[in-house]
Amino acid sequence: SQQGEEDPQALSIQEGENATMNCSYKTSINNLQWYRQNSGRGLVHLILIRSNEREKHSGRLRVTLDTSKKSSSLLITASRAADTASYFCATSPWGTYKYIFGTGTRLKVLA
Amino acid sequence: EADIYQTPRYLVIGTGKKITLECSQTMGHDKMYWYQQDPGMELHLIHYSYGVNSTEKGDLSSESTVSRIRTEHFPLTLESARPSHTSQYLCASSERQGPYEQYFGPGTRLTVT
Repeated sequence: SQQGEEDPQALSIQEGENATMNCSYKTSINNLQWYRQNSGRGLVHLILIRSNEREKHSGRLRVTLDTSKKSSSLLITASRAADTASYFCATSPWGTYKYIFGTGTRLKVLA
Repeated sequence: EADIYQTPRYLVIGTGKKITLECSQTMGHDKMYWYQQDPGMELHLIHYSYGVNSTEKGDLSSESTVSRIRTEHFPLTLESARPSHTSQYLCASSERQGPYEQYFGPGTRLTVT
């Protein structure tokens, strides 16, 4: 399968704690993106990191990319109940405009 | 909010019926995509298009077909719906240059009885 894998599959934390989720992929990539999906609706783009970048920040989000290990992590700091959602990584393999989505992490933030 | 729309949002239909799921975007994006997603599962690419009159099958085999006659419109058609087609269908678009972020529609939840 070309699908990436994410872990953990599900994560439950208290409000204010940090949440970390990981993504592994199989092919060489142009970039890696993270998306959020609320309650089975459409996905919303969160952040993009290019293959020549190692770390990127956006607000409470921090993404790292290790191309040698073909892995990425998403850190959400000071989580809020509104962060409860499913989070997916998506990779764009070299030479294509397609996106391959990971299996997703279901995050639940308890108030 | 992204300017990409899908209709209908929910559809319950009997086996054997022909259905068309609509997707439209007003952002002028050249690239458009259809994904299939079962509840709580990953997205699977079933069709994509790089522009007018360009369509390709995705990584997941699908009995559906698509057309791209206008830049803003990318409908998906099932000639004969079956219970195995029950799923959520998500449409997305992105800009022409580079593999940039995708903008997603709200999805169509299809149930075939």
